[in-house]
Amino acid sequence: ETGVTQTPRHLVMGMTNKKSLKCEQHLGHNAMYWYKQSAKKPLELMFVYSLEERVENNSVPSRFSPECPNSSHLFLHLHTLQPEDSALYLCASSQNSGSRDNEQFFGPGTRLTVL
Amino acid sequence: AQSVAQPEDQVNVAEGNPLTVKCTYSVSGNPYLFWYVQYPNRGLQFLLKYITGDNLVKGSYGFEAEFNKSQTSFHLKKPSALVSDSALYFCAVRDFYSSASKIIFGSGTRLSIRP
Repeated sequence: ETGVTQTPRHLVMGMTNKKSLKCEQHLGHNAMYWYKQSAKKPLELMFVYSLEERVENNSVPSRFSPECPNSSHLFLHLHTLQPEDSALYLCASSQNSGSRDNEQFFGPGTRLTVL
Repeated sequence: AQSVAQPEDQVNVAEGNPLTVKCTYSVSGNPYLFWYVQYPNRGLQFLLKYITGDNLVKGSYGFEAEFNKSQTSFHLKKPSALVSDSALYFCAVRDFYSSASKIIFGSGTRLSIRP
């Protein structure tokens, strides 16, 4: 595969639940990303971490809370979600060395359904 | 602002025929362009990129893309389509105005290859 793993692959949760998505990259990269992919919408960048610091937050609601404890792991903590948050959540990583041509490697995604 | 456009939601091609998936871009300065593919229930996979040099870029699975500066296009091509090429294809451009390694994705084109 691509060297980026995500768990769980599928998640069904109620609006009052708290859950977390996990991403792990085995590529030695130093930047990690969360994307949201909804049907019939462009891929939406949610968060970017570079060297374990959050460098971008694209106006994401506070019910989504990212955490990057080290360069290999990225979490997305979820609480009091809405049905419209149902989507495929993709994690990606890249080597950010100041060069602008480094492609991102994606995990398989977590299919989230909010009831 | 940097952006890419994929004018076709769906492209249908018979197996063995050549295929083209269109992409146009709008950037300030030199573009860094990418193509990704997404198979069902999977994350995105990197296909190829254009940074500089030859206008014809070769990538994975027999795909290639032609950079055309005068037409601001970066169309994805393959001389002979396979049924297994059926997937969702995304064009993307590096965002120079972000402090992070940020890629802006197009809306995607669904490629369907009929036997």
